[in-house]
Amino acid sequence: AQSVTQLDSQVPVFEEAPVELRCNYSSSVSVYLFWYVQYPNQGLQLLLKYLSGSTLFKGINGFEAEFNKSQTSFHLRKPSVHISDTAEYFCAVSVAISVNTPLVFGKGTRLSVIA
Amino acid sequence: GAVVSQHPSWVICKSGTSVKIECRSLDFQATTMFWYRQFPKQSLMLMATSNEGSKATYEQGVEKDKFLINHASLTLSTLTVTSAHPEDSSFYICSARLPGVDSPLHFGNGTRLTVT
Repeated sequence: AQSVTQLDSQVPVFEEAPVELRCNYSSSVSVYLFWYVQYPNQGLQLLLKYLSGSTLFKGINGFEAEFNKSQTSFHLRKPSVHISDTAEYFCAVSVAISVNTPLVFGKGTRLSVIA
Repeated sequence: GAVVSQHPSWVICKSGTSVKIECRSLDFQATTMFWYRQFPKQSLMLMATSNEGSKATYEQGVEKDKFLINHASLTLSTLTVTSAHPEDSSFYICSARLPGVDSPLHFGNGTRLTVT
């Protein structure tokens, strides 16, 4: 079975500062990795996804993530955060991309951007 | 735009009553939908996989008689919380995947259920 560990439950950061949200995964097979963002009382919005190939992936809102197979990590980064980036961020893993394959989520990291 | 629509966005009900939550795929057919539950400040836990035309597959620990799932059409899955109790209060989110090799999961906006 696969699992996801988000190492930080909360990350406070000042506006315009860089941020990194950490995600490590565990799986005996190749996986697909995703980052989702959740604003209060809303569903989840896809930030970016890793399917195969490259190691650096760009998503929406200026976020990017680096896949590191040797360290089994998929950390999310943004060079300069805004107040509007305050939200909950979830890393998720799937062993297949098919209509009947769900995602397994990490526990989430609450990013708080301070003015 | 949204590809998965969920209704209602919030509901308050009395203990002992039943509540139905709808999840619709917009402009595509979803043979499979997923129902997640999220407790405050916690992650999403998969409750069940809803399959069109057949019985839902429930995760371990989820009471299938309490959380009734019906997937009667290719665009609609419903979750009914039967005889709701305060401990059922939670945020319920449905999701589905667009057809296609690289398609990620898309989520509805969730339903906040409060049982008083």
